[in-house]
Formats: sequence, C-alpha cells, structure tokens
Amino acid sequence: GQNIDQPTEMTATEGAIVQINCTYQTSGFNGLFWYQQHAGEAPTFLSYNVLDGLEEKGRFSSFLSRSKGYSYLLLKELQMKDSASYLCAVMDSNYQLIWGAGTKLIIKP
Amino acid sequence: DGGITQSPKYLFRKEGQNVTLSCEQNLNHDAMYWYRQDPGQGLRLIYYSQIVNDFQKGDIAEGYSVSREKKESFPLTVTSAQKNPTAFYLCASRGYTYYGYTFGSGTRLTVV
Repeated sequence: GQNIDQPTEMTATEGAIVQINCTYQTSGFNGLFWYQQHAGEAPTFLSYNVLDGLEEKGRFSSFLSRSKGYSYLLLKELQMKDSASYLCAVMDSNYQLIWGAGTKLIIKP
Repeated sequence: DGGITQSPKYLFRKEGQNVTLSCEQNLNHDAMYWYRQDPGQGLRLIYYSQIVNDFQKGDIAEGYSVSREKKESFPLTVTSAQKNPTAFYLCASRGYTYYGYTFGSGTRLTVV
C-alpha cells in the first residue's frame, strides 16, 4: 500500500530552527512536495524535490533521499506566522499526489 | 490573473438535501481534483478528472458525484447519500508544465 508518515505536531520557539520529517512508501515516484496550510485556508506550495539533495529557498529548505524514502523540511529563523500545518505529498507513478496527514507546527514566543 | 475559484466559501445543508460546490479554473489545466479535509486530518481524494467528459473515483467517492462538461469547470455534488458531509472541500488543478497542484480557496460545508 501507499503510505506517508509525518509527525502529528511539533512545537518550536520563535527565531529557532525546526526540522519536519516525512517518510514515504509509494508505487512509483515523480517527486515530493511540501505545502503549508494555515487553519481554514487552502494549502500553498513550498517546495518540490525530485532528485536527492537539498533545495534551499530563503528561510525554507527541503531535503530528499529517494533510497531511504525520506524527506525533511527545514525552517530557519522561525516567525510567528510560520505557525501552520505542513503537508508532505508524493506524486506517484500515475501523477497523483499521495498526502500525509500533516504536521501542525506551533511557534511559541 | 489565472487561478481557481471555488464557491461558495461557506455552505449550509439541511439533512436529505443535495448541494453542489462550484470549481472553475482559467489556468488551462487538464487535470482537476476534489478533496475533502476533516479537522486535523490530511486531504482525501473524492474524484478526479484528467480530461473533459471523463472522471474517476478517488478513495472516498461514495455519496458524491461530479461532472466535467467543460475544461474549466468541475462541480461536485454532495448527495443525501453522504451521511457525514460536514467538512472542508478543496478543488485543485494540475497542468503538465509543472507537477504541483494549484488549489482553490475551499468551501466549508456544514449540515444543519
């Protein structure tokens, strides 16, 4: 079966760094996505990894290891507005996105 | 600007009533999707369509129906057969030059 695992909830302090992990088992792989979703809103795209390695985009970075079925999203210099859910999703061999349940990130002052 | 428009933003349904959620995109995307999201949960696929006049059931299609008569439009009907319809509904589309999905702003459906 297809499965994506990520922690349910994490807490971090404003100004700190947090790493959100995602492990996956899917039928085929056409890339891994990270989305941010604020409460009551639609998900917004953060990053896309299809090759192994680190992609950096401002305060956010995403890492992928295809051999390990593993990715992480790294958020630096945390701000209160980063409080949101972070969704990991893998595009399978049929180009369908398989979604994790999301990680709720709580930022404390 | 191109995008996806969902309407209405909030919808209230009485028991036994059918309701239709609208989803329109002007991105010229071929593929469109409907998801349901319950509090604290991930996205669950209801239906998807990869081309006009064709659509497939997702993981939780029971109690829902769709149509795809135009490329731009993919309405979702929540029928009276759906016993627990209260949820946040998201429509998305995907083009072929970029694999990510573009989302509408969502419709929150509540049964009263």
